[in-house]
Amino acid sequence: EPEVTQTPSHQVTQMGQEVILRCVPISNHLYFYWYRQILGQKVEFLVSFYNNEISEKSEIFDDQFSVERPDGSNFTLKIRSTKLEDSAMYFCASSKRSSTSGGETQYFGPGTRLLVL
Amino acid sequence: AQSVTQLDSHVSVSEGTPVLLRCNYSSSYSPSLFWYVQHPNKGLQLLLKYTSAATLVKGINGFEAEFKKSETSFHLTKPSAHMSDAAEYFCVVPLQGGSQGNLIFGKGTKLSVKP
Repeated sequence: EPEVTQTPSHQVTQMGQEVILRCVPISNHLYFYWYRQILGQKVEFLVSFYNNEISEKSEIFDDQFSVERPDGSNFTLKIRSTKLEDSAMYFCASSKRSSTSGGETQYFGPGTRLLVL
Repeated sequence: AQSVTQLDSHVSVSEGTPVLLRCNYSSSYSPSLFWYVQHPNKGLQLLLKYTSAATLVKGINGFEAEFKKSETSFHLTKPSAHMSDAAEYFCVVPLQGGSQGNLIFGKGTKLSVKP
């Protein structure tokens, strides 16, 4: 069964450094998402992406964040200058169709655990 | 605004006994609802989803959930727990009006299964 994959599984970085988290969505999916979960808190939506542009983003997704689909398979989340509070588990997800109606399933990757020191 | 509340942060059951994980939702309309499960070091896996067809929804691994509008609940149940059910479970509702359906997660319920 096709899966969403994410690399790396763990990343440790120094405050102020740039990090790029990588995701390979399911191959015939067209909609892509990033979520994050700070330890002990809820999973929170960051951004959705379709047709090579951001469809929607949350308040968390400020100018330090960017997303890109550099080729036909990868979907990346870049944090330009990491802060301590960016430490979290980051999940990538994809769906075949738009979730506008609310019923479309999003398929999640295993996550990347980011630790900012 | 939509939200989901998972009433228990941790549930512990013995193997072979029933499982009940509680979720209440808040929405001005009848929403879609999902349960996802996360096993250690694994991604979030869809267990089941409700999309206004049948109110009793059957999912994978013997889990089911019943949508009760009068109680604004969508509790997850399983008649007999297995050791492999130990994981964290999330009740999820899509954001109404979100153009790409961003998901709102509950805080999660960690299920422990004792032998």
